[in-house]
Amino acid sequence: DARVTQTPRHKVTEMGQEVTMRCQPILGHNTVFWYRQTMMQGLELLAYFRNRAPLDDSGMPKDRFSAEMPDATLATLKIQPSEPRDSAVYFCASGWGGGSGELFFGEGSRLTVL
Amino acid sequence: QQQVKQSPQSLIVQKGGISIINCAYENTAFDYFPWYQQFPGKGPALLIAIRPDVSEKKEGRFTISFNKSAKQFSLHIMDSQPGDSATYFCAANSGTYKYIFGTGTRLKVLA
Repeated sequence: DARVTQTPRHKVTEMGQEVTMRCQPILGHNTVFWYRQTMMQGLELLAYFRNRAPLDDSGMPKDRFSAEMPDATLATLKIQPSEPRDSAVYFCASGWGGGSGELFFGEGSRLTVL
Repeated sequence: QQQVKQSPQSLIVQKGGISIINCAYENTAFDYFPWYQQFPGKGPALLIAIRPDVSEKKEGRFTISFNKSAKQFSLHIMDSQPGDSATYFCAANSGTYKYIFGTGTRLKVLA
């Protein structure tokens, strides 16, 4: 049963700490997305990778967020330093093709920054 | 112009009733309109999708109605069941990687 795997599922941290979220996309998928979900904003696109290359990170606060894909089986989203306003659920999704098509979402990482 | 406006924000329906969620868009370049279903603690999952060359698509109890001239599309859930209680997101895509999601509708189906 192929699925996107995200870790950690829950994270509580203090303001100013570094947070790293990890994602294992579905094997064979060539696109990876990071989304942030909040009650106020809904689903916001933070970053997009195709064939491991970062093609769009315009949705991320550049001074504190970074996204990488060191290999085809791992995508990371890092926040340093974290702030209370970063509290949200972060979703990784993968897909195929680069254009429109089904997105397969992980179960999310719920981040709480105190 | 990139927004997809979704309504209502929340919806309560009796078991067996019809749930209707509406979305409207402005960008005529959108050519793919999926609906995603999200259960608490889970990620969104594709439920059903439509392209603008058809006005309706049905999969079981779920139907998308599409009105190209009005730039609106809607999700109808027939014979709604408590297991349908979830958050539903409409989305639009213009053939690129950028999906524009609606703000979501929380559906509760009463037993």
